[in-house]
Amino acid sequence: DTAVSQTPKYLVTQMGNDKSIKCEQNLGHDTMYWYKQDSKKFLKIMFSYNNKELIINETVPNRFSPKSPDKAHLNLHINSLELGDSAVYFCASSPQGLNTEAFFGQGTRLTVV
Amino acid sequence: GEDVEQSLFLSVREGDSSVINCTYTDSSSTYLYWYKQEPGAGLQLLTYIFSNMDMKQDQRLTVLLNKKDKHLSLRIADTQTGDSAIYFCAESMWAAGNKLTFGGGTRVLVKP
Repeated sequence: DTAVSQTPKYLVTQMGNDKSIKCEQNLGHDTMYWYKQDSKKFLKIMFSYNNKELIINETVPNRFSPKSPDKAHLNLHINSLELGDSAVYFCASSPQGLNTEAFFGQGTRLTVV
Repeated sequence: GEDVEQSLFLSVREGDSSVINCTYTDSSSTYLYWYKQEPGAGLQLLTYIFSNMDMKQDQRLTVLLNKKDKHLSLRIADTQTGDSAIYFCAESMWAAGNKLTFGGGTRVLVKP
């Protein structure tokens, strides 16, 4: 059983479109995250939710809107896609507590053309 | 501020030991982690160490933490070709919402 699953795995879309990436975890974790990995493999946090509440929003353009309908799901909606949004987006989850033992999904490779 | 740095590349012969180094700047780090990323895959948590420890061993993996110098290392004993991947160190801070701050990754190539 996949612990953290993201869909789709690949997403190719045109500039200006709106798209969503879905994430689900079956680990019973309270905290979920979105990370962005650029073409140089650099990973940076975008958002963190704890029990459906936004905890971290790291200077991300407001074209990116996370939504957490329940603590097992954290979706990422992106409006007006730009070329610079092309990256791999990783969802992750971790239990509450001092140890951020985060489990990552397989990633969604977004290509904006 | 937060800054985590790693060397970019490491080449090692199969059967030798690999040592991957990482430095960080924030002394309030709570835990430090090592993740492995194989091509086209997600990140796999390898091991972690609490900031008040200085060593942790887990089978072929040994983590050393020098808190005074803010230096973290990962030693892989008897390196195998399946160990070829990108290795990321990361720090977390309870006060910062437990987000992970990653280094740029070290690409390890294991030669037969």
